[in-house]
Amino acid sequence: QKEVEQNSGPLSVPEGAIASLNCTYSDRGSQSFFWYRQYSGKSPELIMFIYSNGDKEDGRFTAQLNKASQYVSLLIRDSQPSDSATYLCAVRGSGYSTLTFGKGTMLLVSP
Amino acid sequence: DAEITQSPRHKITETGRQVTLACHQTWNHNNMFWYRQDLGHGLRLIHYSYGVQDTNKGEVSDGYSVSRSNTEDLPLTLESAASSQTSVYFCASSVSSYNEQFFGPGTRLTVL
Repeated sequence: QKEVEQNSGPLSVPEGAIASLNCTYSDRGSQSFFWYRQYSGKSPELIMFIYSNGDKEDGRFTAQLNKASQYVSLLIRDSQPSDSATYLCAVRGSGYSTLTFGKGTMLLVSP
Repeated sequence: DAEITQSPRHKITETGRQVTLACHQTWNHNNMFWYRQDLGHGLRLIHYSYGVQDTNKGEVSDGYSVSRSNTEDLPLTLESAASSQTSVYFCASSVSSYNEQFFGPGTRLTVL
């Protein structure tokens, strides 16, 4: 059974701070990792993906992958109230073409 | 612009009725997926397809079926709706198995 774990939150941060969202996965051979943002009542939208160990930056967002420790994280710099949403981690396991989603972490950014 | 659409956006039905939810994408993606999202469970895969005439069962496929007769559409059918199938249903597509998935707006289904 492939598992993807996220802290449900809510994670509360003040505006302008760095928000750190974490995700761990059980399948050591997992190949691809995705972060989605989901506003209440809306569909998930892709923020970024990462395939290789290390950091990947896109604007205010940085994804970090550590395959040895089986975790992937998402950092949001200069957090804004508009970043308040649920963030879903998704993992494509070894030999699988489908994604396993975590249950998501709710982020609340206060003005 | 290319997009993925779902219809209806909201549906109320009765236990035992057959229900079909539509998913249509104009990206010409080979892969299409159906998920349900429930509080406490997150997104769970129901069925998926890698191309025309191809369908596969996901984690929670019991009571659901799909068919893929063309690239653009993957309708999801609930053969005999049950109250446990009350949920929000999302369709997604991707260009290949190794690429990101893009989601439709969702259908909120209530089974009374």
